[in-house]
Amino acid sequence: AQTVTQSQPEMSVQEAETVTLSCTYDTSESDYYLFWYKQPPSRQMILVIRQEAYKQQNATENRFSVNFQKAAKSFSLKISDSQLGDAAMYFCAFRIQGAQKLVFGQGTRLTINP
Amino acid sequence: GAGVSQSPSNKVTEKGKDVELRCDPISGHTALYWYRQSLGQGLEFLIYFQGNSAPDKSGLPSDRFSAERTGGSVSTLTIQRTQQEDSAVYLCASSPRPLLAGEETQYFGPGTRLLVL
Repeated sequence: AQTVTQSQPEMSVQEAETVTLSCTYDTSESDYYLFWYKQPPSRQMILVIRQEAYKQQNATENRFSVNFQKAAKSFSLKISDSQLGDAAMYFCAFRIQGAQKLVFGQGTRLTINP
Repeated sequence: GAGVSQSPSNKVTEKGKDVELRCDPISGHTALYWYRQSLGQGLEFLIYFQGNSAPDKSGLPSDRFSAERTGGSVSTLTIQRTQQEDSAVYLCASSPRPLLAGEETQYFGPGTRLLVL
């Protein structure tokens, strides 16, 4: 079975600082995709960034980047220059190649302090 | 419509009653997914529809849960004889086609918050 673990239920950071959210996963598959989703109070899940497991280069989207360590099955999210609008629940998710469902972690609530 | 819509936004019901939750996917999207988000938890896959194919019901937690998708568009998730543990946010997502490569994305709706008293 595939599982995703986010060990930080809550995190906080000062505005303009950098924060890293942790995620580990467990699978016996070799082909899969990893995602970070943001869920603001509106409840709508928004895709922040994605990573293909076969790519060694870490994905980057503007202020968001990941540190993908395949051997360690780790997929952390770094948010640089944190902004008040980044405050939300962040979910790490995983999908194996060929499967339709996403497997989610429990989420990390990120607070941005002005 | 610009995105996935769900109704109602919030639903309060009494234990033992049946409820129906509705999802309108993005026009033209052939794939539709339902997830459940219990308090303090991540999303849990419930069911997946693709076109006219038989749905993947592997995530439905009990036979009190069922879903249908009429005309390949709107979907309804029905919970019969609701229990307090059914209280959760129910999220629907759609995608233009089945997810094959990692570039393809599920677009989520705002969810329905269900509270069973």
